[in-house]
Amino acid sequence: EVQLLESGGGLVQPGGSLRLSCAASGFIFTNCAMTWVRQAPGKGLEWVSGITASATITYYSDSVKGRFTISRDNSKNTLYLQMNSLRDEDTAVYYCAKGRTWEPRDFHYWGQGTLVTVSS
Amino acid sequence: DIQMTQSPSSLSASIGDRVTITCRASQSISSSLNWYQHRPGKAPKLLIYTASTLQSGVPSRFSGSGSGTDFTLTISSLQPEDVATYYCQQSYSAPWTFGQGTKVEV
Repeated sequence: EVQLLESGGGLVQPGGSLRLSCAASGFIFTNCAMTWVRQAPGKGLEWVSGITASATITYYSDSVKGRFTISRDNSKNTLYLQMNSLRDEDTAVYYCAKGRTWEPRDFHYWGQGTLVTVSS
Repeated sequence: DIQMTQSPSSLSASIGDRVTITCRASQSISSSLNWYQHRPGKAPKLLIYTASTLQSGVPSRFSGSGSGTDFTLTISSLQPEDVATYYCQQSYSAPWTFGQGTKVEV
């Protein structure tokens, strides 16, 4: 059974930093792309960042480029999202998702999400 | 960036009704279109990929069609557990954008 467990969310002040983690199990992690998607309160789903299976290529939305860094540790089956220079508009539930293939083009299974609140 | 537009934004239907949601891309995306279901308080779920392929385990009352710029998600007979928000997403080119969502109520 595929399981994705996000952690690391919480309350942070504007300008602060936070690192999210996503522990994966139940599939061959090294074969699958991974992605972060977020949902702000009362809003729809927004793609944030993706990484290929081998971690050679990363992708970012314009809204987080230069502030967020996606990475993965294939030896630990874990995905990360380092979030710096956080803004109020980054407040959202952050979901990690596995892709069907090595490219992060689709979102096959999702975790339950972790809430990030940016507020002073 | 490719913009995805869904219609309607919300709908209310009765149990057993046929429900249709449309998704339009701002440029041709071939068949690179996926549909997701997001129930309140749950993780989103992939329903259909490459426009018309049903994800394993998804009930057959869900179907998808279309190519190019115009796509459709159909629920042939609405069930109570189908109350959710449905999103289309293009997998043609980065950034891989979602539609704004369609909220389905009973």
